[in-house]
Amino acid sequence: GQNIDQPTEMTATEGAIVQINCTYQTSGFNGLFWYQQHAGEAPTFLSYNVLDGLEEKGRFSSFLSRSKGYSYLLLKELQMKDSASYLCAVGSWGKLQFGAGTQVVVTP
Amino acid sequence: GAGVSQSPRYKVAKRGQDVALRCDPISGHVSLFWYQQALGQGPEFLTYFQNEAQLDKSGLPSDRFFAERPEGSVSTLKIQRTQQEDSAVYLCASSLGGRDQPQHFGDGTRLSIL
Repeated sequence: GQNIDQPTEMTATEGAIVQINCTYQTSGFNGLFWYQQHAGEAPTFLSYNVLDGLEEKGRFSSFLSRSKGYSYLLLKELQMKDSASYLCAVGSWGKLQFGAGTQVVVTP
Repeated sequence: GAGVSQSPRYKVAKRGQDVALRCDPISGHVSLFWYQQALGQGPEFLTYFQNEAQLDKSGLPSDRFFAERPEGSVSTLKIQRTQQEDSAVYLCASSLGGRDQPQHFGDGTRLSIL
């Protein structure tokens, strides 16, 4: 199995930076995905890491360390619309196993 | 372009009734996935198709759950003799196929069993 742990909730101020950590225990996987989900809506793909290191996509960056079983999603220049749940998922031959999600609350 | 489309958006059924949930994937996507999402939790994998072949159904909770994709496009998830614990959001996702392709999700069907 692959337990995936992420904090339940984080609060940050508009314009700030927030880092959402994700730890996992797995016997093997292809890559690690991050999704954003607003309440009542579909999860939307944010980023994907196959190799160790940092992947940057605009205001969002994701990092993976396979040896440490650790990933994080970095959100910069926070905007009110970034208030959502952020889901870490381990991908294994297409199938995704998700963490419970981290609810990010952005305050003015 | 059009995304993944799911219908109905909301479904209310009485315990013991059968329900059918439909998923229309993105055109050209060979892989299709069903997930179940409880309130405050991440999606849980149910089953996976590559074209019309069901390659993995290890996540289906019981034999009351059945999924099909007969022509490799539209898929239906059927739940027989529904129970209250089946109440959840059922999400469908599709991808181009291959192990590294991101999955694109529909808005889901919110199923409530009374």
